[in-house]
Amino acid sequence: DARVTQTPRHKVTEMGQEVTMRCQPILGHNTVFWYRQTMMQGLELLAYFRNRAPLDDSGMPKDRFSAEMPDATLATLKIQPSEPRDSAVYFCASGTAGSGGLVYNSPLHFGNGTRLTVT
Amino acid sequence: AQSVTQPDIHITVSEGASLELRCNYSYGATPYLFWYVQSPGQGLQLLLKYFSGDTLVQGIKGFEAEFKRSQSSFNLRKPSVHWSDAAEYFCAVGATTDSWGKLQFGAGTQVVVTP
Repeated sequence: DARVTQTPRHKVTEMGQEVTMRCQPILGHNTVFWYRQTMMQGLELLAYFRNRAPLDDSGMPKDRFSAEMPDATLATLKIQPSEPRDSAVYFCASGTAGSGGLVYNSPLHFGNGTRLTVT
Repeated sequence: AQSVTQPDIHITVSEGASLELRCNYSYGATPYLFWYVQSPGQGLQLLLKYFSGDTLVQGIKGFEAEFKRSQSSFNLRKPSVHWSDAAEYFCAVGATTDSWGKLQFGAGTQVVVTP
């Protein structure tokens, strides 16, 4: 089964350090989402890409978060500098949207997440 | 903007008993509706979805959900739960005007299955 791969699975870091999370979407998927999950806020959409172009990153704190897709096989989410309130599980999800097609017809495939702890 | 509410944070059910998880949405029209399941340490997996047509939709793992426009609800059901159904369940809504596939998730319902 094709799957979305996220690395690392766990990351513990000290406040102020840079954190980079990586996601390998399913081959052929052209839409990538980054979600953050916390007990208090639940699942929040941070950013998403279509054909590697960022469409919306309004859910991200711009001063410290950045999301990129250097190529079709890699999406990255970076936090610099990290803060304790960034502690959460970060999920990447990928899907497909054909030309004129209904994107929701293709279910999102989620990775297993990166559990980030900032001390 | 659309929103979704899952009134039950936590549900405990006996193995073999029936299960119903509630979901209410807020949207100006009929949205796209989804149920996802998350097992511990895992990502979310799609159980079923509703776009239009038959208001009772069947999903994987023996789950079904019924769309009720009059109640703005999309409740998930399973006639007989198995211990492996213990997980967190998320209802999600997508706007029909959105071509990008953004989903608004509910807060989730944690399901515990007792012997």
